[in-house]
Amino acid sequence: DAMVIQNPRYQVTQFGKPVTLSCSQTLNHNVMYWYQQKSSQAPKLLFHYYDKDFNNEADTPDNFQSRRPNTSFCFLDIRSPGLGDAAMYLCATSRENGGAFFGQGTRLTVV
Amino acid sequence: GESVGLHLPTLSVQEGDNSIINCAYSNSASDYFIWYKQESGKGPQFIIDIRSNMDKRQGQRVTVLLNKTVKHLSLQIAATQPGDSAVYFCAENGDDKIIFGKGTRLHILP
Repeated sequence: DAMVIQNPRYQVTQFGKPVTLSCSQTLNHNVMYWYQQKSSQAPKLLFHYYDKDFNNEADTPDNFQSRRPNTSFCFLDIRSPGLGDAAMYLCATSRENGGAFFGQGTRLTVV
Repeated sequence: GESVGLHLPTLSVQEGDNSIINCAYSNSASDYFIWYKQESGKGPQFIIDIRSNMDKRQGQRVTVLLNKTVKHLSLQIAATQPGDSAVYFCAENGDDKIIFGKGTRLHILP
């Protein structure tokens, strides 16, 4: 049974059109992460939530925002997607100081 | 820059042989390390972890070794099988966030 669920698996959006990716978890983990992964590269951390506390990486563009309305759900909002934002977006959860468990990712295509 | 990196981008191993994948990390304050396996089109899968108060941990067919003196981590896979073909990442959990290294692609030769 999937414990970290990302929807949709594939998302096509138009250049400049806002898009939201979603993630839910059944593990009740207090930490949730969003990563961006481009082809043949390692996942790059965009931001993470420690409970309700939002932690943005210094090099994450302002174009990327996130919301965590409750423990189970987390959203990634891309306000104005560019061609360079096409990637796999991975959501993960963990307990504090624990290993992260990943969803299957959402592959974003920008046209 | 990244605080965790890998020495070899690609490793080819004969089926049945043991595989050793290496990783160097730079943050001496990191106290928790994880190995992930990622197959094409899928999210990373947790394989094994180790805390800094240990130097070795074994799982099923996998062993992780940690050398804090030289800040080096390795993953050993025993009797490598075709299903082990994937990209392997080491990662560290420091400051309550998980940062990945560059990854090594493991290729299994028949």
